[in-house]
Parts: sequence; structure tokens; C-alpha cells
Amino acid sequence: QSALTQPASVSGSPGQSITISCTGTSSDVGGYNYVSWYQQHPGKAPKLMIYEVSNRPSGVSNRFSGSKSGNTASLTISGLQAEDEADYYCSSYTSSSLYVFGTGTKVTAL
Amino acid sequence: EEQMVESGGGVVRPGGSLRLSCAASGFTFDDYGMSWVRQAPGKGLEWVSGINWNGGSTGYADSVKGRFTISRDNAKNSLYLQMNSLRAEDTALYYCARGGPFTGYSSRWYRLTYNYYMDVWGKGTTVTVSS
Repeated sequence: QSALTQPASVSGSPGQSITISCTGTSSDVGGYNYVSWYQQHPGKAPKLMIYEVSNRPSGVSNRFSGSKSGNTASLTISGLQAEDEADYYCSSYTSSSLYVFGTGTKVTAL
Repeated sequence: EEQMVESGGGVVRPGGSLRLSCAASGFTFDDYGMSWVRQAPGKGLEWVSGINWNGGSTGYADSVKGRFTISRDNAKNSLYLQMNSLRAEDTALYYCARGGPFTGYSSRWYRLTYNYYMDVWGKGTTVTVSS
């Protein structure tokens, strides 16, 4: 159960778009369309932002979008805003009927 | 409002035990599989354990298998995590979350539901393992 691989940090200017990658294997990310993304502000509980690769829960801004190609999933934040500064985690269902998170990415609006 | 409230955290010595509880409200509890997720200080999220709607299927991360036991009481809308043989590396904030890798059962539609994501989270309870 190795954690999915994410970049430690990603930054961008306000208004720009940024993309966070999440790399796994054919036993998790590549094998299922069950990738989800979570946003976590300091001292707060995680918040679901994307589920099943590209679906947004009600109430999540359409500036957030998800996609997947092979063993790598991606989260794109369009029109980056100061309030988007947070840690982001991907996650995936696995072939062992378990669940794995990514290593986490700190997003900074410069 | 859908919410979960965790309790039972505290300070325990290595080798000791602790039982965490999670009280759910605002939704039909047995419609959902449930999970425990932890976060060590300054570290990332780690899925710990999950359970299906009636407790018939459970799963554990390798790091806790054989030491932790997840259970639920649908009559009390509650989720539990019994933690034995605790180690320093179990020190973390433990979150209860709705959903995960195990199924729910829709009592309205009489069918299994698969929510392979966690859409409602508690605020967490802190476990510290230290001598």
C-alpha cells in the first residue's frame, strides 16, 4: 500500500491555472475510475473537491476540475485565488479493496 | 446537517489500548460504508480502516492490521475503532469519514451503493502514544 505520488508544492499567480499530478499504478489509479481529491486548510478537516476522477460535489466551484490518463490523475485549479491556498490530497480505491491517499501537495498563490 | 463527531482520543502509553467513537447525525447511517483516516502531526492523510453498511466487510491498512478493529452500531448511528498494542507512530489526529472502499446499502432503494470517496468528515480526535 504505497502512497500515491504528488509534487510537494505547486504555486501560481492569482488568476492563473495550476495542475497537480497524482501518480499511482495499474492496481489503483490506472485500474479504476475511483480517484478523488481533497482540500485541507490548516487546522481543518479535509473537504471533498472531486470524486470519481472528474465529478464535482454540489457547492464546489467549477474552477476545480479533474482528469486521468493511464496511471496518473490530475487536479486543475483555474483562476487561482488566495482562498485556494491549502494542501491537496488525491486518493484512489485499490485492487486490494482498500484505499490509498497521495503524499499531498501544498498550493501557494504567489 | 450531516455531521460526525469523534471522541475517545487521549494520551496512552506504548502497548496500551484506546477505543475511538464517532457519532453520526443528519443522514441515514446504515446507507453508507464508513472509514477512519488519520493524520500524524505535520504529515499527510492515511486511510486506516473501513467498514461496509452492516459490518460484514472490513479492511485495514497494513500499518494497523491485527492491532485495530473497526465496528459499527447502526441502532446507535455510531462507528468505533478499537486500537490495541499502540505504538508511537500511531500518534495522530483520527478522523471519522462517510464513505470509502466499502459499500453502503440504501434502505430507501433496497440496493447497494458504492461511494468510493469520503464526502463528510468529522473534526477529528487526537491520539498521543507516549511514555
